[in-house]
Amino acid sequence: AQSVTQLDSQVPVFEEAPVELRCNYSSSVSVYLFWYVQYPNQGLQLLLKYLSGSTLVKGINGFEAEFNKSQTSFHLRKPSVHISDTAEYFCAVSENNQGGKLIFGQGTELSVKP
Amino acid sequence: NAGVTQTPKFQVLKTGQSMTLQCAQDMNHNSMYWYRQDPGMGLRLIYYSASEGTTDKGEVPNGYNVSRLNKREFSLRLESAAPSQTSVYFCASSRQGSNSPLHFGNGTRLTVT
Repeated sequence: AQSVTQLDSQVPVFEEAPVELRCNYSSSVSVYLFWYVQYPNQGLQLLLKYLSGSTLVKGINGFEAEFNKSQTSFHLRKPSVHISDTAEYFCAVSENNQGGKLIFGQGTELSVKP
Repeated sequence: NAGVTQTPKFQVLKTGQSMTLQCAQDMNHNSMYWYRQDPGMGLRLIYYSASEGTTDKGEVPNGYNVSRLNKREFSLRLESAAPSQTSVYFCASSRQGSNSPLHFGNGTRLTVT
């Protein structure tokens, strides 16, 4: 069965510093990978997705993620964060034979301090 | 451009009461989903509907029922609410297929006392 682990529950960082949010998954078949962001009291919004092709995926708001099949990882990065990036971030995986069902990680709270 | 609309936004129930959470999407999506979000547990799938006329259980279906009323609407019913069902509930929709991202509503915050 597939599963997703986000290795950090909270990540505090100063404004303009780089950040990496870590995500590992397990699956016995090929997968599609997603990162979502949730701002306070809102639903989830898609940041980026990996479906196939280039392993480096760029998303909205300057975020990018790299798919590493051998390490079963899909870490999210941003070279310089802003206060407005403060939110909760979720990694999710979908197996290619399971329709659109997503399995989510536990979430990482990114807190950007001035 | 409404996207996915959930009602109500907030609800307080007493143990044993019933209620229905409503969800509608205007993106002509085939698939719809109900998730619950609890602190430290991410989102867990309750039920989903791959297409109009079909529904299937997800990871945590006990205590819930669903109805795919038509292509636009997918409701979630709690027949006899329990404190363990205190959570934030999200409805989502997508085009059919594993590579289609989900579009989420803004959630319903439910408290069961």
